[in-house]
Amino acid sequence: DAGVTQSPTHLIKTRGQQVTLRCSPKSGHDTVSWYQQALGQGPQFIFQYYEEEERQRGNFPDRFSGHQFPNYSSELNVNALLLGDSALYLCASSLRGIHMNTEAFFGQGTRLTVV
Amino acid sequence: QKEVEQNSGPLSVPEGAIASLNCTYSDRGSQSFFWYRQYSGKSPELIMSIYSNGDKEDGRFTAQLNKASQYVSLLIRDSQPSDSATYLCAGRMDSSYKLIFGSGTRLLVRP
Repeated sequence: DAGVTQSPTHLIKTRGQQVTLRCSPKSGHDTVSWYQQALGQGPQFIFQYYEEEERQRGNFPDRFSGHQFPNYSSELNVNALLLGDSALYLCASSLRGIHMNTEAFFGQGTRLTVV
Repeated sequence: QKEVEQNSGPLSVPEGAIASLNCTYSDRGSQSFFWYRQYSGKSPELIMSIYSNGDKEDGRFTAQLNKASQYVSLLIRDSQPSDSATYLCAGRMDSSYKLIFGSGTRLLVRP
């Protein structure tokens, strides 16, 4: 049973560039959430996708956008990269986003470095 | 005030001891709580979830929830050096999709 997979694992980009990160959810899961984790901090919620729509968004600028495909996989796009966007980007998958017993499982993350 | 707070640690315990990790939250609307373990350079791994007041046990781990005091804890019995990691507490409101994480507590189990 495949877990949550993310690609790439590491990425170095130049300030001002654009980046796309990819995530395939755990088998049987239909909901994907994206989180940003800065060094020494807990993950911060970016947004969640369910049924190919953004269901909720955290406190992130419009430079952060996403997409969910019919096979439930998802992409996170970040435009006009800033040095402060350097972080570990985590994808979490779950089944049917909103009830109490929904548990979220994380992929291995993408380490983004902006130089 | 942060929505979910944890002592950053490190919490140092000898091998075989009970490690007690604590978390407080500010939003009374928070209903579901989760403990994740994160090794350095790795992604968070779900340990336990808890939704009802009281204790929930799974192997060496016990999660405790007290909604009146807005307090969540994780006990690790018979701590092993392999338990050394950062433990993240996360909460979620019923009406929300997002997990709100604390900054994590670093646990060090001394051989």
